[in-house]
Amino acid sequence: EVQLVQSGGGLVQSGGSLRLSCAVSGFIFDDYAMIWVRQAPGEGLEWVSTISGSGGSTYYADSVKGRFTISRDNSKNTVSLQMNSLRVEDTAVYYCAKDYAIGYNWYGYFDHWGQGSLVSVSS
Amino acid sequence: EIVLTQSPATLSLSPGQTATLSCRASQSVSTYLAWYQQKPGQAPRLLIYDISDRATGIPARFSGSGSETDFTLTISSLEPEDFAVYYCQQRRDWITFGQGTRLEIK
Repeated sequence: EVQLVQSGGGLVQSGGSLRLSCAVSGFIFDDYAMIWVRQAPGEGLEWVSTISGSGGSTYYADSVKGRFTISRDNSKNTVSLQMNSLRVEDTAVYYCAKDYAIGYNWYGYFDHWGQGSLVSVSS
Repeated sequence: EIVLTQSPATLSLSPGQTATLSCRASQSVSTYLAWYQQKPGQAPRLLIYDISDRATGIPARFSGSGSETDFTLTISSLEPEDFAVYYCQQRRDWITFGQGTRLEIK
């Protein structure tokens, strides 16, 4: 059974930092890209970042580029999102998700998701 | 950026009826269009990818159609568990989502 279990998140002041982690099981981790998607309160979904299966390629939304860093540890089956210089508008539930197709730097559909981590940034 | 516009914003139907949800793209997304279902407090669930392919375990009452810029998710014979928010998503040019359609019980 595929499982994605998230940790991290919480309340931080504007300008602060947080780290989210996502521990996965049930599939060959380094065969798949991993993604972070966020959802502001009462809003829709926004793609944040993608990392390839090897970790050699990373991609970011313009809204977080230069502030967020995605990484993965294929020996521990974990993917992380380091969030620096946080802004009030970064307040959201953050989801990690597994890319749908094997062997691509990224494919772009997401078939398994974590439970979500709430990040609240205060001014 | 490809903008996806979903309509209607809210759809009120009764169990047993058929729901038709629309997603329009600001430019062609070719076949790279998916649909997700999200229930309150839960993560999204992949329903349909590449316009019309059902994801693993998705019932046949969910079907997708369309091409280029206009897409439809059809849910036939609505079950009580189908009432949720539905998002379309494209992967043609980076990744963007529509703003969602809320399917509520009438």
